Amino acid sequence: SQQGEEDPQALSIQEGENATMNCSYKTSINNLQWYRQNSGRGLVHLILIRSNEREKHSGRLRVTLDTSKKSSSLLITASRAADTASYFCATDPVDTDKLIFGTGTRLQVFP
Amino acid sequence: DVKVTQSSRYLVKRTGEKVFLECVQDMDHENMFWYRQDPGLGLRLIYFSYDVKMKEKGDIPEGYSVSREKKERFSLILESASTNQTSMYLCASSTGQSLEQFFGPGTRLTVL
Repeated sequence: SQQGEEDPQALSIQEGENATMNCSYKTSINNLQWYRQNSGRGLVHLILIRSNEREKHSGRLRVTLDTSKKSSSLLITASRAADTASYFCATDPVDTDKLIFGTGTRLQVFP
Repeated sequence: DVKVTQSSRYLVKRTGEKVFLECVQDMDHENMFWYRQDPGLGLRLIYFSYDVKMKEKGDIPEGYSVSREKKERFSLILESASTNQTSMYLCASSTGQSLEQFFGPGTRLTVL
């Protein structure tokens, strides 16, 4: 079964608005990562947050991690049309040696 | 910048053919991975390798094999392609087992 489940599956917003995507997982993790995928392309790493961190920022991205709820959120502030893509969370469970990817959130930003 | 390249962006093969998907990375990464991506299923790990000539099965290895003769190259082999192997195949590499992975552009394989 999927370790990471993103919510919502799809999100449509206007440029300038904020976009929030959530990820829930099932087991204890070492870290959680967020990736972006433009249509028909490979994934690009955005940010990594370790299990002992609660919040991390990178430019317009803000990631939070709540290990007690086994959930993470990715916030993109002041969105742009170029942010249109699919976003995936990937967890690194403590009992395995591989990343587990979720099914992704498709974000559409309208100009 | 890390560069991961895949031999083909699009590939069309017939059922029963032997298919080779090649992946090359130029940053001396120890770890390499092959995933397939299908709508609604996300990325699923087929095989991975932590060193030359070493391979480990992922979650869905059936119908696939891999080869890693050189550190920079990781090949995925479909011994006898079937229509249910029509998918997007993504290769990735990393320096650590659970750190950032760098992905290639993907190969969209269609098996007729």
